[in-house]
Amino acid sequence: SQQGEEDPQALSIQEGENATMNCSYKTSINNLQWYRQNSGRGLVHLILIRSNEREKHSGRLRVTLDTSKKSSSLLITASRAADTASYFCATDSPQAAGNKLTFGGGTRVLVKP
Amino acid sequence: EPEVTQTPSHQVTQMGQEVILRCVPISNHLYFYWYRQILGQKVEFLVSFYNNEISEKSEIFDDQFSVERPDGSNFTLKIRSTKLEDSAMYFCASRDRGYRSNQPQHFGDGTRLSIL
Repeated sequence: SQQGEEDPQALSIQEGENATMNCSYKTSINNLQWYRQNSGRGLVHLILIRSNEREKHSGRLRVTLDTSKKSSSLLITASRAADTASYFCATDSPQAAGNKLTFGGGTRVLVKP
Repeated sequence: EPEVTQTPSHQVTQMGQEVILRCVPISNHLYFYWYRQILGQKVEFLVSFYNNEISEKSEIFDDQFSVERPDGSNFTLKIRSTKLEDSAMYFCASRDRGYRSNQPQHFGDGTRLSIL
């Protein structure tokens, strides 16, 4: 897989359920970031986890990072219809001189009311 | 909360024409980026810019592309002679000073560029 690949590609859940999506990457990283994109809109930054961190929380979001497996997961608890969006992981690699982000293909999440 | 703003939201241009996409990054940010997203595909890095020069550019960013920070607030992407395959959503992003590990990039809402 390429740097920053999410799975599943799509996820459909009922409101109130938890949504979990995973991201795998190939190279070493400075940090890994999760973004949300509503249809046709920009990327909203959700959470950043540094390479020396293992878990981070922000509201209903929980992110884990396993650098030995080069993978991360994003958990959205108690989902709401407004959480319907695409979610992307993006990695910042120390090899990137300009601090560019490399994005995965995203997970499309549908939360049904 | 401060945000990155991009104009126009939608640009329709004839193939071969020049187009300039404009961005106003967050005011105290020092690092600036352009990305693009072709419909249904991944977000791809184009170029990063710091201290009035390009830090890194991708293979996509060929000599038809250029960036400029003409004043203290705007950051522009110019495509000199547009091609059909340049049709995409173009995102500007900016990042604050500080150790890179801790700093997220903040994105604008994008400009949808349609080449006819």
